[in-house]
Amino acid sequence: SYQLTQPPSVSVSPGQTANITCFGDKLGDKYTYWYQQKPGQSPVVVIFQSDKRPSGIPERFSGSSSGMTATLTISGTQAVDEADYYCQAWDSQTAVFGGGTELIVL
Amino acid sequence: QVHLQESGPGLVKPSVTLSLTCTVSGDSINNGDYYWGWVRQPPQKGLEWIGYISDSGSTYYNPSLKSRVTLSLDTSKNHFSLKVNSVTVADTAVYYCARVPLPGDYFDNWGQGTLVTVSS
Repeated sequence: SYQLTQPPSVSVSPGQTANITCFGDKLGDKYTYWYQQKPGQSPVVVIFQSDKRPSGIPERFSGSSSGMTATLTISGTQAVDEADYYCQAWDSQTAVFGGGTELIVL
Repeated sequence: QVHLQESGPGLVKPSVTLSLTCTVSGDSINNGDYYWGWVRQPPQKGLEWIGYISDSGSTYYNPSLKSRVTLSLDTSKNHFSLKVNSVTVADTAVYYCARVPLPGDYFDNWGQGTLVTVSS
């Protein structure tokens, strides 16, 4: 079955850039979606179709994808961005989530 | 503004069938524009897609759960349902219902989630 792999955690200082990666076979040939989940809340999409930002999501969130890797970039990271982030892709009409990355802002 | 709300028992015993319902307001589940799905999250763990159903009743399941899961919808009540058979403690999780515009798109609206604990 298709798998997506994320680092368990990423640490970043406030105001710096955070990069969260997601690895999967030929992931660059698929669309990647990124969700933000804060404690006790439901996930919210922050990037869709690999590099598009839904309305209402701050411009500091961006996405890219190539080869086996998709990357979520948060520029000028703020304390409010501390959350778990999940990548998601589709493979043969099934949705696959990565294991999640805890973004620590310190 | 669409709103999804999960409902069902918070505690079930091992080996029984877990049943949850997602009631949709602000949208009709049979308008043909969306698919309706379920995602679960065990405590302190990641998200796991369970499956989704179209307004015509076509279903798509996570292969790892397919043998135990059934999705259905009731357009008269504007809700859709999840059944998981023969549950074990590994099925303990927060269960979310969610809407997806098309297979291949993203889950754009989620319920608040409901915790189901499997325990004797």
